[in-house]
Amino acid sequence: AQTVTQSQPEMSVQEAETVTLSCTYDTSESDYYLFWYKQPPSRQMILVIRQEAYKQQNATENRFSVNFQKAAKSFSLKISDSQLGDAAMYFCAYRSILGGSEKLVFGKGTKLTVNP
Amino acid sequence: DAGVIQSPRHEVTEMGQEVTLRCKPISGHNSLFWYRQTMMRGLELLIYFNNNVPIDDSGMPEDRFSAKMPNASFSTLKIQPSEPRDSAVYFCAISFEGFSGNTIYFGEGSWLTVV
Repeated sequence: AQTVTQSQPEMSVQEAETVTLSCTYDTSESDYYLFWYKQPPSRQMILVIRQEAYKQQNATENRFSVNFQKAAKSFSLKISDSQLGDAAMYFCAYRSILGGSEKLVFGKGTKLTVNP
Repeated sequence: DAGVIQSPRHEVTEMGQEVTLRCKPISGHNSLFWYRQTMMRGLELLIYFNNNVPIDDSGMPEDRFSAKMPNASFSTLKIQPSEPRDSAVYFCAISFEGFSGNTIYFGEGSWLTVV
């Protein structure tokens, strides 16, 4: 079974600075999706960015970008020019493509604090 | 996300009572999921449906939990009888084939407290 590990329970960053959140995963599959979700105190799960494993190019969404290292099974999230509104829990998630299962497997999350 | 409407948003109930959580997804989705989030166990998949048929219910904790999807625009998760350990945030989510590929979108969640 696939597993997702987020080794940083908490991180902090100064406003306007850059922070990187780590995520590693374990799978024997060659094709899959990876996601980062943001969960603010309201508890809503907000999609931040997604990556298809077959794409070598790292996904980017405005100030959010990923460093996808397929061989190392690593999928880190970089937040540039951090803003106070970025403070939240961030969850890394894995989803199979083959085998028919659409199940998302989540990491335990990283709590990001943004200091003014 | 506006594509998934959950109700109630918050519910406090007494142990032993029946709880029904509801989900109304937008049309055009591929699959519908029920997730539970607790501090101890994080985010867990309870069950998911494809074409209104349950595909994987291995995450349903026990017989007290049941889920239905009578049509493509409605699903329920029922707990009977409820227990304090069922207190959690329950999310309904859908997979949707959009411009950028298949993605899973979550509703705002139903906060359940069982006292």
